[in-house]
Amino acid sequence: EAGVAQSPRYKIIEKRQSVAFWCNPISGHATLYWYQQILGQGPKLLIQFQNNGVVDDSQLPKDRFSAERLKGVDSTLKIQPAKLEDSAVYLCASSLESASYEQYFGPGTRLTVT
Amino acid sequence: GNSVTQMEGPVTLSEEAFLTINCTYTATGYPSLFWYVQYPGEGLQLLLKATKADDKGSNKGFEATYRKETTSFHLEKGSVQVSDSAVYFCASDTGGFKTIFGAGTRLFVKA
Repeated sequence: EAGVAQSPRYKIIEKRQSVAFWCNPISGHATLYWYQQILGQGPKLLIQFQNNGVVDDSQLPKDRFSAERLKGVDSTLKIQPAKLEDSAVYLCASSLESASYEQYFGPGTRLTVT
Repeated sequence: GNSVTQMEGPVTLSEEAFLTINCTYTATGYPSLFWYVQYPGEGLQLLLKATKADDKGSNKGFEATYRKETTSFHLEKGSVQVSDSAVYFCASDTGGFKTIFGAGTRLFVKA
């Protein structure tokens, strides 16, 4: 079966610019997650969708970050405007149902903000 | 709140040495516990999991036992190989809704 797809793999932008990341989860997976992984740290959940509804976005900086999951399938994460501290790897993952199921991760998008 | 704490790395071992990576958690209720592994240049992948107290997860020679009394889920392997070099993440779900990851422990195995 195809894995979780993410694009782009790498992105370099200047601060105050905007950027968008795309994720296509494994077919049939109801739950989709976006994580931020700063160098040397574990992944931190930004937002979790169950189908096309938001389950948890408590750690999403809503003044600059937004995410949507149209039709309960693929998803986009946007940052506008970007700050230096947003430099990180952005991981998308999906699972059949809730977090107690195995999560399948995409390769990530490495964002560098200069 | 819920949290996961794992031993700092890097851990450097010779091939065939015994591996232990400590992990402790704090949680309300009874979370499921996970170990994920990230090989160089790859995404995270599930290594093993345990869903209730005294369960032992195992995969590829790695084992971890869910210890409720010590709130621990230590990862062990009897004989590591060079190919085990990776970053290992301990994780806990919060009753099925959100997963919290530890900071990761980098393992280097020398031939």
